[in-house]
Amino acid sequence: QLQLQESGPGLVKPSETLSLTCSVSGGSISSNTYYWGWIRQPPGKGLEWIGTIYYSGSTYYNPSLKSRVTISVDTSMNQFSLKLSSVTAADTAVYYCARQSGSWYWWFDPWGQGTLVTVSS
Amino acid sequence: QSVLTQPPSASGTPGQRVTISCSGSSSSIGNNYVYWYQQLPGTAPKLLIYRNNERPSGVPDRFSGSKSGTSASLAISGLRSEDEADYYCAAWDDSLSGYWVFGGGTKLTVL
Repeated sequence: QLQLQESGPGLVKPSETLSLTCSVSGGSISSNTYYWGWIRQPPGKGLEWIGTIYYSGSTYYNPSLKSRVTISVDTSMNQFSLKLSSVTAADTAVYYCARQSGSWYWWFDPWGQGTLVTVSS
Repeated sequence: QSVLTQPPSASGTPGQRVTISCSGSSSSIGNNYVYWYQQLPGTAPKLLIYRNNERPSGVPDRFSGSKSGTSASLAISGLRSEDEADYYCAAWDDSLSGYWVFGGGTKLTVL
């Protein structure tokens, strides 16, 4: 059964770069069937797509975040990563990673448990 | 402000049928599949409906989805206490360079 696990610092200072990793187990990130996405959820609010990556390195970003986001993949470690630069308090959220089946515009399933990142000095 | 519009809350009693609406645009729901996610308190979202009306393995047939034009609906029949959760609709939006859009979520309360 595929499992995803987010990891990274829970506290980031304003103006710094948020860095998270999603480790995939129970399946290969190099499968040509799947894409891999990041989604976030501010406390008490709704969901926002951040971006998606294919094992080849092709990326798709939310236009509203594109200037600050970098998503990369490490097939040897079976993981993919998120970097969000110049963070502010508005970037405080639970960050989820998820698998997408078939295309970057198809559904997210399953999801990781999520990790809370707080932006504060 | 979410690009897909959902009512913030819905409620029903055990055994009832409830529906949750999701309104979008021609570039989102009007031209792409709609997905529904269930988020139980303190947990990650879980895929409930994909491609407008298909259920993943393990999702009870009490849950059903439909789409018409630029709107979609999630129906839950035979409401149960464990259905109390937040429900989100989602769709790909073809505008700009394309991006995922979500509804603001509907909190379902089982009275």
